[in-house]
Amino acid sequence: EDKVVQSPLSLVVHEGDTVTLNCSYEVTNFRSLLWYKQEKKAPTFLFMLTSSGIEKKSGRLSSILDKKELSSILNITATQTGDSAIYLCAVEGPRGGGSNYKLTFGKGTLLTVNP
Amino acid sequence: KAGVTQTPRYLIKTRGQQVTLSCSPISGHRSVSWYQQTPGQGLQFLFEYFSETQRNKGNFPGRFSGRQFSNSRSEMNVSTLELGDSALYLCATSNYGDSPLHFGNGTRLTVT
Repeated sequence: EDKVVQSPLSLVVHEGDTVTLNCSYEVTNFRSLLWYKQEKKAPTFLFMLTSSGIEKKSGRLSSILDKKELSSILNITATQTGDSAIYLCAVEGPRGGGSNYKLTFGKGTLLTVNP
Repeated sequence: KAGVTQTPRYLIKTRGQQVTLSCSPISGHRSVSWYQQTPGQGLQFLFEYFSETQRNKGNFPGRFSGRQFSNSRSEMNVSTLELGDSALYLCATSNYGDSPLHFGNGTRLTVT
């Protein structure tokens, strides 16, 4: 059975700090790893990673995948109170004919950024 | 472009009743997935529909079912509700290929 483990489960920092969130996985025939941010309701998409060692960046957020270590990290620099959210990591296995799109999620990291 | 729309936003039901939740995908998205989110278990995959056919199913009892219509809109149904079914039910859609899933705001179901 596919498995995703995120750490830490929760984190409290001050504005301006840099944080690193971790995600490790076990999945049969890995296809991609995704990061989502969930504030109130809908998880919003951050990154999709398929290749090892290639960093993806969006503003103060960046992420990288290590297929050898079966892990990924999400970095947030110069944190702001608006970064407070649950950050979810998910992995996708192979797709069959047609679709077969299924994500396995970790429990998430609750990040709280205090002013 | 409108996002994924889920209705209703909130539902309160009693044990033994049944409920139907609705999801309208982003225009052009043909894959619709459903997830259950609870504080203890996190986000868990229920099932996925593509071209009106269920393509994949998670480890949930047969009380949980769904369907997809020709316009890609989807419904999920939970029969004989139990207290443990209280959760946020999220719909997510994709236009397949290498695009990520986009989530709706969910339906918060409370079973009393």
